[in-house]
Amino acid sequence: GAVVSQHPSWVICKSGTSVKIECRSLDFQATTMFWYRQFPKQSLMLMATSNEGSKATYEQGVEKDKFLINHASLTLSTLTVTSAHPEDSSFYICSARKGLTDTQYFGPGTRLTVL
Amino acid sequence: RKEVEQDPGPFNVPEGATVAFNCTYSNSASQSFFWYRQDCRKEPKLLMSVYSSGNEDGRFTAQLNRASQYISLLIRDSKLSDSATYLCVVNWLNQGGKLIFGQGTELSVKP
Repeated sequence: GAVVSQHPSWVICKSGTSVKIECRSLDFQATTMFWYRQFPKQSLMLMATSNEGSKATYEQGVEKDKFLINHASLTLSTLTVTSAHPEDSSFYICSARKGLTDTQYFGPGTRLTVL
Repeated sequence: RKEVEQDPGPFNVPEGATVAFNCTYSNSASQSFFWYRQDCRKEPKLLMSVYSSGNEDGRFTAQLNRASQYISLLIRDSKLSDSATYLCVVNWLNQGGKLIFGQGTELSVKP
């Protein structure tokens, strides 16, 4: 299957700082990338859908000014958690796909801990 | 009501057992269906797609009943390595191909 990478794999930061997470499709061009968040013992929750070259579409309840998403190229999307707080501590996972009916391939996830 | 509902388990079974997981979904417009497997602290990995005719991949059999909005996964001859969380996932193609995940069912296979 296709390969999607995320960087960093884990990050610890202080409350109030911003953290940027990168998602890259390594061997295919991803027209769409998705960002998910998963709290312990819970399901993956879709945060936003990102199409290359356009603004991300956020799910209800997700603050777009807090979770900034940029999808500037067909192989890279970034999620920036601004002014992070301890309640933002979670497992953030991206996925990427080529076209609407194609399989989504998941990145390995980024574990964020905000102190 | 959750969009995709699963029994969270855990299911604790001995090696060699047969175990079945069920899942229901609320949106009748859901258009494609999957089972993913997620190991602890890892990303989900696609296990298999699910079709109305039923499909099998080795020890794994998946079934879809559109009328009842019900999906199942059967694992035969369980291995220790099958221990993981199994996620029922539906795809809303008419909403940009969003994947909606169930909470997951935890399986623990014991020696």
